[in-house]
Amino acid sequence: GAVVSQHPSRVICKSGTSVKIECRSLDFQATTMFWYRQFPKQSLMLMATSNEGSKATYEQGVEKDKFLINHASLTLSTLTVTSAHPEDSSFYICSAARPSGGSYNEQFFGPGTRLTVL
Amino acid sequence: GNSVTQMEGPVTLSEEAFLTINCTYTATGYPSLFWYVQYPGEGLQLLLKATKADDKGSNKGFEATYRKETTSFHLEKGSVQVSDSAVYFCALGSGYSTLTFGKGTMLLVSP
Repeated sequence: GAVVSQHPSRVICKSGTSVKIECRSLDFQATTMFWYRQFPKQSLMLMATSNEGSKATYEQGVEKDKFLINHASLTLSTLTVTSAHPEDSSFYICSAARPSGGSYNEQFFGPGTRLTVL
Repeated sequence: GNSVTQMEGPVTLSEEAFLTINCTYTATGYPSLFWYVQYPGEGLQLLLKATKADDKGSNKGFEATYRKETTSFHLEKGSVQVSDSAVYFCALGSGYSTLTFGKGTMLLVSP
């Protein structure tokens, strides 16, 4: 159990367009979902934390008007990169947290989405 | 605040060599500790975890022991394979569900 999917796995778009990435927890209801960005040969950078039905909490330096997060249900969160530019090209990874019986809710990661903006 | 420090790579080994990737942490309270593995072009997979001091996590021949006295969670494997080539992330879980990652260590195993 605890499978998280992302769609699409790879997307290429033109500069100025918007791109939506979906993150789904397939076999559990996620208390919280997270969006990360990973640059080549670097660690994951947390972009935002979202809870179903409420506004996402963005990390410092992340533009909330550029990276729109919608957490429509306990199994679906979407990240929309608005007016994408080449510098937004990156690997975006989502995760979903599931209660694990203790005080800490473990995160389960999606396979990632490679965004290339031309 | 919380932080995780892991050895910089790449770590280059021959097949069947012994592997150690060091990881130390600073944290308040009693965090959970994780090792994740990322194969090229893929997301993160949980490799092993430990939720309290002296716990040993193990999976696929990899082991790590939660050492509170040295605030460490070093990853070890007795005999690496070419298929183990990947990036390994040490992470600390705290609070409700927050993860703090180390910078990752690339492992390259040659035949």
